[in-house]
Amino acid sequence: IVLTQSPGTLSLSPGERATLFCRASESFSSRFLNWYQQRPGQAPRLLIYGASTRASGIPDRFSGSWFGTEFTLTISRVEPEDFAVYFCQQYSGWAFGQGTRVEVK
Amino acid sequence: QVHLQESGPGLVKPSQTLSISCTVSGGSMSSFYWSWIRQPPGKGLEWIGYISYTGTATYNPSLNSRATISVDTSKNVFSLELDSLTAADTAVYYCARVNWGSYNYMDVWGKGTTVTVSS
Repeated sequence: IVLTQSPGTLSLSPGERATLFCRASESFSSRFLNWYQQRPGQAPRLLIYGASTRASGIPDRFSGSWFGTEFTLTISRVEPEDFAVYFCQQYSGWAFGQGTRVEVK
Repeated sequence: QVHLQESGPGLVKPSQTLSISCTVSGGSMSSFYWSWIRQPPGKGLEWIGYISYTGTATYNPSLNSRATISVDTSKNVFSLELDSLTAADTAVYYCARVNWGSYNYMDVWGKGTTVTVSS
């Protein structure tokens, strides 16, 4: 299964809404889709597992959803600490998407 | 809380074997799986493989059987060996805990260790 993330880069101002997409090449259970955040110079951090469940300590401005083979990560209002790279990851084969960079506009 | 710490050689020569270990502190290795992931400079994440606490390992086929992951629960350590190194293996190597059950995800990560393959 190949995961394709879009857009490659998202340029936003603090307070704006961010919508990130992850499209799978074939269908699989949403239970196995995870999202990670990677800030510059840091290790990835689990944000969302099972497509829509926030990991422990993750603010509620982060949410995940899906429709068919398209998964979405939404940040309702981007905070300064949210400018980072976001990866989706699928359990079967443990593929990662190529990442979406959220940068300051 | 659980903490993971990688330790590695930093610089390795081409064709040699890389050995990295990950020490788990603050919790038991039982009931979890343990994974290695790498990230070449400026690129995305690549899963290398994972191992159960009982020692059953699964690998990314793209590595062509070059990787071996082992676990020693008595020492709270799991390890990665990667042989036949080339410059393409230069990366930051991360270890992570895999929460395995109805959902499968990597919820605790080490800070990573940088490995450079160069003569």
